[in-house]
Order: sequence, then C-alpha cells, then structure tokens
Amino acid sequence: DAGVTQSPTHLIKTRGQHVTLRCSPISGHKSVSWYQQVLGQGPQFIFQYYEKEERGRGNFPDRFSARQFPNYSSELNVNALLLGDSALYLCASSLAGGPSADTQYFGPGTRLTVL
Amino acid sequence: AQSVSQHNHHVILSEAASLELGCNYSYGGTVNLFWYVQYPGQHLQLLLKYFSGDPLVKGIKGFEAEFIKSKFSFNLRKPSVQWSDTAEYFCAVISNDYKLSFGAGTTVTVRA
Repeated sequence: DAGVTQSPTHLIKTRGQHVTLRCSPISGHKSVSWYQQVLGQGPQFIFQYYEKEERGRGNFPDRFSARQFPNYSSELNVNALLLGDSALYLCASSLAGGPSADTQYFGPGTRLTVL
Repeated sequence: AQSVSQHNHHVILSEAASLELGCNYSYGGTVNLFWYVQYPGQHLQLLLKYFSGDPLVKGIKGFEAEFIKSKFSFNLRKPSVQWSDTAEYFCAVISNDYKLSFGAGTTVTVRA
C-alpha cells in the first residue's frame, strides 16, 4: 500500500508570497494532521482534520489555514510568508483521528524555503 | 498545555553498546505515548506505541520502552545498538486535545 504522499517535495518562495502544500493520506484513513518541523526541533502541531472538519489547531497565526477534501486529501495554505516559515512541513494520516488509540503515519514532508 | 522533554540532545555510542533515551511529559491525564525514528534521508517512522495494558512495550528493530505513570516517563531502550540505528529519535504524546506533541528529539550516532 502507498504511504502518505506530499507535494511538492521542495519549494522556494519569497517573503509575502502565498504557498499551498498538498497531502494524500493512506487509503482508508480519514484524518489528516499537519506539522511544522524547524531544523533542530521536533514537529509542531498545526492542524488536524477529520471528515473535512477541523478537529484541532495548534498555536499558529491565522496566516496558516487548511482544508480537507471529500477524498480525504488535504491542503495547507500559508499566506504572507515570513522568513521564519522556512521549515519542513509534515503531513500525517490516521484512521479516525482524535485522542483515541490511533496512530499517525507521516509523509516525507515538503521543504519550504522562504527567501 | 502538555509538553514533552527529551533529556539528551545528542548521544554517541559504539556498536553493541546499550542505549537508553529519556522522555518525560507534563500532562497528568490519560495519554497515549509514541516513539518515532527518523533515519538519515527518510521520513518519520513509528518505532513503538503505548495505549494501555502492559507498561513495557516492544517495537520494531529490538527497541522497547517502559511507561512509568508515577514518573510521567516513557524511556526508550535497546540492549545492543547497531550502526544502522544512527538516527534521530522523537518521543511524542497525545492526550484528549487531538494534538500530538513531540519532544525536541535526540540524535543518536553509533560508531562502528
């Protein structure tokens, strides 16, 4: 079975621009979560979506938004990019999401560089 | 808010040595606990997880972890490491707020 896939692999943007990152979950998984991993740190939770609804939000500004589509794929959007947004953005999928005994499986990530 | 602390930033050891990585979390309620590993050039992979039951859990590649509720700890161990265990290891905790919280990670370097 295919794992979590993300696109693009790498992206270079300039300050003030907008970016859209995409994620396709493992087949059968209905929940997608997004994380930001800055070099030298652990992943930081941004959003979780389940059945197209936002289930959780981390401590990120409103410039960050996401959505989930009927096929359970997801997009992460970041507006007005700042240098500090440069990071590896990870997507994870799980069967149902939420606090239940449910494991998240991670994709390879999108490396975003903001110049 | 819950937090996860990993005691060691970088661990260097020789093949066949034993490994123990510390992890403590701050949340006092019911938690699910994970160790993930990131090998060089690869994405995060699940090593093992604890949801309930036996506090000593076994994962892939000979790793195990022990959940000690009274100490809010979930330490990772391996009796004898191999060069291929060189990687970054992350402890993670999820409670009832849908947020998987990660520690800062421990880089493990195994010298042949």
